Amino acid sequence: DARVTQTPRDKVTEMGQEVTMRCQPILGHNTVFWYRQTMMQGLELLAYFRNRAPLDDSGMPKDRFSAEMPDATLATLKIQPSEPRDSAVYFCASGDGGANEQFFGPGTRLTVL
Amino acid sequence: RKEVEQDPGPFNVPEGATVAFNCTYSNSASQSFFWYRQDCRKEPKLLMSVYSSGNEDGRFTAQLNRASQYISLLIRDSKLSDSATYLCVVNDLTGGGNKLTFGTGTQLKVEL
Repeated sequence: DARVTQTPRDKVTEMGQEVTMRCQPILGHNTVFWYRQTMMQGLELLAYFRNRAPLDDSGMPKDRFSAEMPDATLATLKIQPSEPRDSAVYFCASGDGGANEQFFGPGTRLTVL
Repeated sequence: RKEVEQDPGPFNVPEGATVAFNCTYSNSASQSFFWYRQDCRKEPKLLMSVYSSGNEDGRFTAQLNRASQYISLLIRDSKLSDSATYLCVVNDLTGGGNKLTFGTGTQLKVEL
């Protein structure tokens, strides 16, 4: 049963610390998405990749957030330095590149104190 | 104005009831549409795609009205297990992209 995996599942950190979240997309999927979900804003697209190349990161605060795909099996989202307003659930999703279903990972619940 | 708007609810309905959710979208160039379901503290999962001619999957019926830019989801004979948040999703394929825009969701609570 192919699934998107994310680590860590939960992260509590202090303001100013670096946070790195990792995602393993479903094997064979060529598009990867990072979303952030909060009660107030719902699901927001932060960045997405096709064939490991960044296509759109307009939803991401550039000064502190960065997203990369070092290889086809790993996507990372980094926040440096973290702030309390970054507290949210961060989801990674992957797809086959068509106008079809995106499969979400279980999310990383981030709390910045 | 948000790109995809939904009534947040909650909709509290008794088991067996029929319930309908609507959603409006602002981008007339949107090309594909979906309903996702999200259980509490879980990830969103695709419930069904929405086709122009309308489509049905068991107790669930989805419809699209392009002229009015709204999408609906009808749930018949609701079950306790239908309790979840239902997310209206629009896909913008312009520019070769594949961006999903999510509504903030409508919460459904089915009660005994």
